[in-house]
Amino acid sequence: EAGVAQSPRYKIIEKRQSVAFWCNPISGHATLYWYQQILGQGPKLLIQFQNNGVVDDSQLPKDRFSAERLKGVDSTLKIQPAKLEDSAVYLCASSLGLGAAGDTEAFFGQGTRLTVV
Amino acid sequence: AQRVTQPEKLLSVFKGAPVELKCNYSYSGSPELFWYVQYSRQRLQLLLRHISRESIKGFTADLNKGETSFHLKKPFAQEEDSAMYYCVLRSSASKIIFGSGTRLSIRP
Repeated sequence: EAGVAQSPRYKIIEKRQSVAFWCNPISGHATLYWYQQILGQGPKLLIQFQNNGVVDDSQLPKDRFSAERLKGVDSTLKIQPAKLEDSAVYLCASSLGLGAAGDTEAFFGQGTRLTVV
Repeated sequence: AQRVTQPEKLLSVFKGAPVELKCNYSYSGSPELFWYVQYSRQRLQLLLRHISRESIKGFTADLNKGETSFHLKKPFAQEEDSAMYYCVLRSSASKIIFGSGTRLSIRP
């Protein structure tokens, strides 16, 4: 079974530039998550989708971050403009979905390491 | 508020010694709790979940609702257990909340 795919693996940008990350979840998984993991900290949930609808985006800095999952499959996370403090690993994860039998485990991608200079 | 606390950033033990990684949580409902592990250069992966009450790689964890704890234990540490361990809470809305993590280092 293919896992969660993310690209790119690494990205270096200057502050005030824009960047986008892409995630392809496991086939059939309705729930998709984006996390931000700053060095030395645990992953922090940015946004949670159920199919193409947003379930929780309470910790997403909406003035600069946006995310979409238009067809309920792939998702993109964008930062515009980037700040130095956005340097982190951005993780995508997916799970079967709310209410689905056996929906407990989340599967994670390798992450995208963003460095803002 | 939903919160997961892992008080130790680093735990270093000798090979063969017992291991206990502490986790406390705050959640008003009935939580689902997990331990996730990240080995060097690998992605985060599920280690065990409280509902299955299983032992994985010799690790066990018991949910103590009275103490709101879910500590991870292993009687005899092995070198391959060195990794980053995260205690994770899953809410009824499938929101997944991580603790800050504990780096476990096993000394030979």
